[in-house]
Amino acid sequence: ELKVEQNPLFLSMQEGKNYTIYCNYSTTSDRLYWYRQDPGKSLESLFVLLSNGAVKQEGRLMASLDTKARLSTLHITAAVHDLSATYFCAVVGWITIQGAQKLVFGQGTRLTINP
Amino acid sequence: DSGVTQTPKHLITATGQRVTLRCSPRSGDLSVYWYQQSLDQGLQFLIQYYNGEERAKGNILERFSAQQFPDLHSELNLSSLELGDSALYFCASSPRSLTGYGYTFGSGTRLTVV
Repeated sequence: ELKVEQNPLFLSMQEGKNYTIYCNYSTTSDRLYWYRQDPGKSLESLFVLLSNGAVKQEGRLMASLDTKARLSTLHITAAVHDLSATYFCAVVGWITIQGAQKLVFGQGTRLTINP
Repeated sequence: DSGVTQTPKHLITATGQRVTLRCSPRSGDLSVYWYQQSLDQGLQFLIQYYNGEERAKGNILERFSAQQFPDLHSELNLSSLELGDSALYFCASSPRSLTGYGYTFGSGTRLTVV
């Protein structure tokens, strides 16, 4: 069964600093997603990583994927308060009996950026 | 607007009652997923439907049930409500093949059981 683990689960950092959130998954998958959730709000799609070595960047966020290591990272550069949110990674798994796909989510990383 | 519509946005009800949450998927999406999010349990997968048929079950209680109708909208029924059922309930939809941006989430229904 596919398992997805994120670390850290809680991260408090100061504005201007850099940090990385890690997402490990247990079985082979060809696609990984990052979502952002603000408190009490819905999940917003940030990145889709489709192949080994894929790197996507949007503003101060950069996501990468290493399918051989089954690891994705979300790097935050020069953090600003507006990036405070919970970040989820999700990996495509298979419901083998029906041949259907589903997303398996990590636990989420609650990021707090202090002025 | 993500294209996934959930109603109602907020619901306050008493213990022991029954409620129905509704979800209309994004146009063209055949799969609907229900998730429960509480402070201590994170994002918990409840159940998935594809084109009217149940496809997968997660941590869904026996007091909870769901269905997907021919027009593809879905309803999540929660009965004999307990205080611990208070949570955000999300619906998400996707095409059969998870390309592009994967799931599209609705804005959620905040359920408060008093």
